Amino acid sequence: AQSVAQPEDQVNVAEGNPLTVKCTYSVSGNPYLFWYVQYPNRGLQFLLKYITGDNLVKGSYGFEAEFNKSQTSFHLKKPSALVSDSALYFCAVRDSLGSSNTGKLIFGQGTTLQVKP
Amino acid sequence: EPEVTQTPSHQVTQMGQEVILRCVPISNHLYFYWYRQILGQKVEFLVSFYNNEISEKSEIFDDQFSVERPDGSNFTLKIRSTKLEDSAMYFCASSPRGGARTDTQYFGPGTRLTVL
Repeated sequence: AQSVAQPEDQVNVAEGNPLTVKCTYSVSGNPYLFWYVQYPNRGLQFLLKYITGDNLVKGSYGFEAEFNKSQTSFHLKKPSALVSDSALYFCAVRDSLGSSNTGKLIFGQGTTLQVKP
Repeated sequence: EPEVTQTPSHQVTQMGQEVILRCVPISNHLYFYWYRQILGQKVEFLVSFYNNEISEKSEIFDDQFSVERPDGSNFTLKIRSTKLEDSAMYFCASSPRGGARTDTQYFGPGTRLTVL
């Protein structure tokens, strides 16, 4: 079955330090991977996606993610964390097995990022 | 920047009542989705909609649920007879094409449904 796992419920990091939010996936075929962020009382905001090509994907707000096929991972990273990055982060993979072509997203359980001043 | 909007932001209803959750997708998008997130759980797919018909639905999307695009802008999710377990945050999303698996889905802010 296709799935996404985010092994950490919460990640704590000091402002200015690098951050990593982990994501691993299990899919059949080529993975199309996404990261979304959810701030309090807001919807899911798109950060970045991996489709093909360069394994390092750059996205919004200085975030990037590294696709690693051998480890089936797509970890979200940022070189220098800001307090304002504190939010809930979701990794998702596009369904490749569905009977239709609309490609629903399959989400991980989310990781809360807490950046302390 | 265009956004997906949803109303209301919070809906409280009694068990057995009908509710309609409303969404206005981004104007030039063609594919529409509903997802839900029960408190503390994953975001789950409910249904996708294209060309005025359901493209795909999950096991959650039973006969109590229906979707409609009543005009050129709104996209609604109706729950006919709400149950306690329907309490969740409901997210609407849209994408330009959807059929291309590389397409990004853009989400609205959600409607928190509370069933008493």
